[in-house]
Amino acid sequence: RKEVEQDPGPFNVPEGATVAFNCTYSNSASQSFFWYRQDCRKEPKLLMSVYSSGNEDGRFTAQLNRASQYISLLIRDSKLSDSATYLCVVNTGGGADGLTFGKGTHLIIQP
Amino acid sequence: DTGVSQDPRHKITKRGQNVTFRCDPISEHNRLYWYRQTLGQGPEFLTYFQNEAQLEKSRLLSDRFSAERPKGSFSTLEIQRTEQGDSAMYLCASSPTRGLATNEKLFFGSGTQLSVL
Repeated sequence: RKEVEQDPGPFNVPEGATVAFNCTYSNSASQSFFWYRQDCRKEPKLLMSVYSSGNEDGRFTAQLNRASQYISLLIRDSKLSDSATYLCVVNTGGGADGLTFGKGTHLIIQP
Repeated sequence: DTGVSQDPRHKITKRGQNVTFRCDPISEHNRLYWYRQTLGQGPEFLTYFQNEAQLEKSRLLSDRFSAERPKGSFSTLEIQRTEQGDSAMYLCASSPTRGLATNEKLFFGSGTQLSVL
């Protein structure tokens, strides 16, 4: 089983819709979690950290389920500019190489 | 502050040649990372510096790869005797984190796209 798994998509979603995707991780000792956004041919950029109690940043909501070992990202009122690849990142606390990136979920917002 | 900068943006080389990439992190960021990313994959950890000390290297990093950060500021990544399988985007990231590594938040550069012919 891979350490961090994501559905690669693509998710094709009409503008204004709500979209959610999950990321599962295999190491139960994982300590911190993040979502990064990566535009085509660009570098990844931190979107948000994921906290145990769940957290919200504008139209974006992140949640963590430790029991089932997954994190989720929900985007409300999606915009064309939300089209990107969303990378799930999990830190197992095992040093710098404990920061593991998923392959990403490709999201396409359609007008 | 203009963020993490990498040079060159693109590099085309012939198999067997050596290449060197440079990364300038955000000022005063003490941690610097190198990652490699291929199409359809997430970034893969290569190595990490805390100031000038190289603290970790991926088990996947072959002996042909070497990285330095001589004064704790910019870093270089050299690949010797390049192979076609080395073709990838090489990403540098820096982090201001001084506490637990579990809270790491990375700021990436635009990357160097390497093509080995």
